[in-house]
Amino acid sequence: DAKTTQPPSMDCAEGRAANLPCNHSTISGNEYVYWYRQIHSQGPQYIIHGLKNNETNEMASLIITEDRKSSTLILPHATLRDTAVYYCIVTSQGGSEKLVFGKGTKLTVNP
Amino acid sequence: KAGVTQTPRYLIKTRGQQVTLSCSPISGHRSVSWYQQTPGQGLQFLFEYFSETQRNKGNFPGRFSGRQFSNSRSEMNVSTLELGDSALYLCASSPRQGGTEAFFGQGTRLTVV
Repeated sequence: DAKTTQPPSMDCAEGRAANLPCNHSTISGNEYVYWYRQIHSQGPQYIIHGLKNNETNEMASLIITEDRKSSTLILPHATLRDTAVYYCIVTSQGGSEKLVFGKGTKLTVNP
Repeated sequence: KAGVTQTPRYLIKTRGQQVTLSCSPISGHRSVSWYQQTPGQGLQFLFEYFSETQRNKGNFPGRFSGRQFSNSRSEMNVSTLELGDSALYLCASSPRQGGTEAFFGQGTRLTVV
């Protein structure tokens, strides 16, 4: 079972920031938070991951709370092409980990 | 560089048959993972191969099997196909074992009739 909880759907206006929340209250010390997205009819796409510090790349920012029980993926200027299902995944690294996808959040960016 | 390539893109098989799907990972990636995606169950992990060895396995029956070759290309096989095996089968490659920072292919859409 997925170790995360995400809202089933969210809407965002084009050009505005999209903030996607994720709860992972049972995360353990060696587990990372990963974000993927899946645009309709395509394979999932890696976005970003982090352990405890905030992370930023060309696609998004990841904000992890100090207690690590929740995180937020931020798309700073959402476009119509960002409409997708976004998955928050908690997993360890370096061992027998695997990506366990939950139901994710369907983000719809509206013009 | 080229992405993950899966062949074929679409496949129709009859119940009871077997099928083999192929995945060519990104050059230099040694980890290949397979996933099944259905509307009802979502994305489910099948197995991961790293350096020709199965490193991790999901909760699927033994009819689902795979292998990885020395060039990191991977195949998965499903024997005695059932209607419920109809799904999108996705392959993902990663430079490291565990495959958590993965690059996915477009998938193979399998329909069992």
